[in-house]
Amino acid sequence: QQQVKQSPQSLIVQKGGISIINCAYENTAFDYFPWYQQFPGKGPALLIAIRPDVSEKKEGRFTISFNKSAKQFSLHIMDSQPGDSATYFCAASRAGANNLFFGTGTRLTVIP
Amino acid sequence: NAGVTQTPKFQVLKTGQSMTLQCAQDMNHEYMSWYRQDPGMGLRLIHYSVGAGITDQGEVPNGYNVSRSTTEDFPLRLLSAAPSQTSVYFCASSYRRTAKTYEQYFGPGTRLTVT
Repeated sequence: QQQVKQSPQSLIVQKGGISIINCAYENTAFDYFPWYQQFPGKGPALLIAIRPDVSEKKEGRFTISFNKSAKQFSLHIMDSQPGDSATYFCAASRAGANNLFFGTGTRLTVIP
Repeated sequence: NAGVTQTPKFQVLKTGQSMTLQCAQDMNHEYMSWYRQDPGMGLRLIHYSVGAGITDQGEVPNGYNVSRSTTEDFPLRLLSAAPSQTSVYFCASSYRRTAKTYEQYFGPGTRLTVT
């Protein structure tokens, strides 16, 4: 049973556009929500993360929006670039726990 | 500082063979984990360790063994390989960044095919 549901499975965006990836969870014990970026042949790398005490976190062109009541969170990539083409995973963990539960991944392609 | 290293990068096994996937980290992190990545399923936790001598099971532990005799190394053993274990395996090490969160660093992965 997938504890974190992610959509869409794949996404094609024009250069300069906004990429949006959505995730949802059921377990209210989850307390930490990171996003990972993975390039082909590489391991996932932490991109940005949020905790439920804030509704939004922004780092450069990357923003996480968090809706605690709906148990949903999303990644927005502004001014998407071809170099952003990668697979993105959302994840969640319980407070004070190290173990991550991952979404199924979104393959993003940014076309010039 | 090499971070998290994994060997081998690729491996082909026949059903029933055993092997060990190696993982090492040089960041002095307490926590280490093994995940498998399968298409359409994301990454799933196999086993993890909270320190030398301490290991525990994750979501999908069957068919795998681990041990942690040093802080640096966390090998994953496949006892009798099965085609269902064909996957990409990632090792991760992590540290406690805040009282409630950890930051994980992943290795480059081992692509395993079992025929």
